[in-house]
Amino acid sequence: QQQVKQSPQSLIVQKGGISIINCAYENTAFDYFPWYQQFPGKGPALLIAIRPDVSEKKEGRFTISFNKSAKQFSLHIMDSQPGDSATYFCAATFGQNFVFGPGTRLSVLP
Amino acid sequence: KAGVTQTPRYLIKTRGQQVTLSCSPISGHRSVSWYQQTPGQGLQFLFEYFSETQRNKGNFPGRFSGRQFSNSRSEMNVSTLELGDSALYLCASSLGGVSNQPQHFGDGTRLSIL
Repeated sequence: QQQVKQSPQSLIVQKGGISIINCAYENTAFDYFPWYQQFPGKGPALLIAIRPDVSEKKEGRFTISFNKSAKQFSLHIMDSQPGDSATYFCAATFGQNFVFGPGTRLSVLP
Repeated sequence: KAGVTQTPRYLIKTRGQQVTLSCSPISGHRSVSWYQQTPGQGLQFLFEYFSETQRNKGNFPGRFSGRQFSNSRSEMNVSTLELGDSALYLCASSLGGVSNQPQHFGDGTRLSIL
């Protein structure tokens, strides 16, 4: 119940395209859902986060869609750029528990 | 504002040794969490400290321990190192804890066990 599932494991997108990464959880106690971006040799960096009382949040080219009833949330990267090539992790938290998804390696082709 | 600083960046040890990793959080952040990142297991939560007290612990053996000082700096210790302990160890800080607020990560300490 503490798991967060993430798909796809890897994703290749053409420059200018839309990248979509999906996550699913079981524990309805989770109350905060952040997304992190990690470049090789660096620690994860917070991209955007959402709380379950909101169905969508947009920051620049990044949008989180949240479906509370389906216990799913997704990250959309619009107009994907080669500089977006990185590993993306979804996560879920409640109380003092913090669980990461397994990650999606995104490659944006020029 | 300076970010989360982890030292050292790289460390090579042999089996059976022990190691101490250090983390300096962002100024004003009282919560420090530690994570282990490996290709096979991904990012796994080790423990969280807040105001010098361990608030939560992940599913790791007792060989993994930590502490936090009054200035919020934290150390993580791993004793009797095993080959499987080779990983990137990440530290993250936040204002109040892991839940419901952003965590800011350092760039990690890459630990290799020979």
